[in-house]
Amino acid sequence: LAKTTQPISMDSYEGQEVNITCSHNNIATNDYITWYQQFPSQGPRFIIQGYKTKVTNEVASLFIPADRKSSTLSLPRVSLSDTAVYYCLVGLSGGSYIPTFGRGTSLIVHP
Amino acid sequence: GAVVSQHPSRVICKSGTSVKIECRSLDFQATTMFWYRQFPKQSLMLMATSNEGSKATYEQGVEKDKFLINHASLTLSTLTVTSAHPEDSSFYICSAREPGRRGTEAFFGQGTRLTVV
Repeated sequence: LAKTTQPISMDSYEGQEVNITCSHNNIATNDYITWYQQFPSQGPRFIIQGYKTKVTNEVASLFIPADRKSSTLSLPRVSLSDTAVYYCLVGLSGGSYIPTFGRGTSLIVHP
Repeated sequence: GAVVSQHPSRVICKSGTSVKIECRSLDFQATTMFWYRQFPKQSLMLMATSNEGSKATYEQGVEKDKFLINHASLTLSTLTVTSAHPEDSSFYICSAREPGRRGTEAFFGQGTRLTVV
């Protein structure tokens, strides 16, 4: 199981773009990268997933370099409601995959 | 997206009693569900993997006789905290993956805040 490393915390201001980078040096060939968001006293919520290059949805973008040893979650123009913990998970797609969480990044957005 | 519902969202019980937490997949059949616990300002810790029709697989250090897991149907898994003690107070979260869905996306319940007094 690929281990992930993220910054423990980040601070930003409303309207700014926030980039959270996750290192996963021993990612396996068929592993996917998935990001989740968690608000206090709630279960995690899926944000985005990718395998390579760039993925964009209505919430965020995910940038994955060619070597796939890291990935960057990009949140455009954050608001106060984006204050949450963000988790990067790496794992093999398929029935045997078990979502396993690392420490996550606590993002605080200031007015 | 798929929905996983967890009930209750909050429960307070007396020390020594048992508490059951339900996790339902509302619009898909989940052959596998996952149970986590989370302490304040910490990450989710996997407790066990719940398999429909068979015994759950517990992570190392998790007492299977204390945390009883039953996955009797394709849409329901239950976690029973038996003889609860104050140290069992925590936030419990369930999760399920939709069969056949590509990638590693999982869906999580809203969590259950257990307080043992």
